[in-house]
Amino acid sequence: QSVLTQPPSVSAAPGQKVTISCSGSSSNIGNNYVSWYQQLPGTAPKLLIYDNNKRPSGIPDRFSGSKSGTSATLGITGLQTGDEADYYCGTWDSSLSEAVFGGGTKLTVL
Amino acid sequence: EVQLVESGGGLVQPGGSLRLSCVASGFTFSSYWMYWVRQAPGKGLVWVSRINSDASSTSYADSVKGRFTISRDNAKNTVYLQMNSLRAEDTAVYYCARDVRGGTCHDYWGQGTLVTVSS
Repeated sequence: QSVLTQPPSVSAAPGQKVTISCSGSSSNIGNNYVSWYQQLPGTAPKLLIYDNNKRPSGIPDRFSGSKSGTSATLGITGLQTGDEADYYCGTWDSSLSEAVFGGGTKLTVL
Repeated sequence: EVQLVESGGGLVQPGGSLRLSCVASGFTFSSYWMYWVRQAPGKGLVWVSRINSDASSTSYADSVKGRFTISRDNAKNTVYLQMNSLRAEDTAVYYCARDVRGGTCHDYWGQGTLVTVSS
């Protein structure tokens, strides 16, 4: 049982937009920055979004992040088959004093 | 170019030990907190341990506390995870990751090393 809650799967057609939600509490998302990671099959996680909505160098602007209260959202526009991956949200939990992650969301581009 | 390269994984019997290493390059290693995160087969990411830049502070997930020890050698640009009293539930790919936001952001990850605990 992950501290952060994500939907197990989402799907959309190529070229469409999809959003992935991440729900937490005041001890984690509510009072800390959120990051998002992409994990392509058989590879290590890769940072997509940090500080709720910032993109590291090299990450296309098709990827966006937002946060409201104790929830965060990852948005992906112009879906490509290469976007098929598992996506994880992550943050710090001030009560647990540990880094926490969502359970992951598998994106299928139909 | 920032690189993190893990090694030391393998097959070990329950109750056994392993030491994982993560060699860093391309950045000033001694300036960063480092984390170990694991991923059981088909499962999500789970934080295991972290160490601050000068090794004066460490912390652990409850599931590994008392069994795992994190350490680092800044002269060798390496962070370690000593794993003792291994259990079947410790079977996972272990990643080291660089922390840049006090636990909220890990900007670089290693390729991972697989630890399998089985008789």
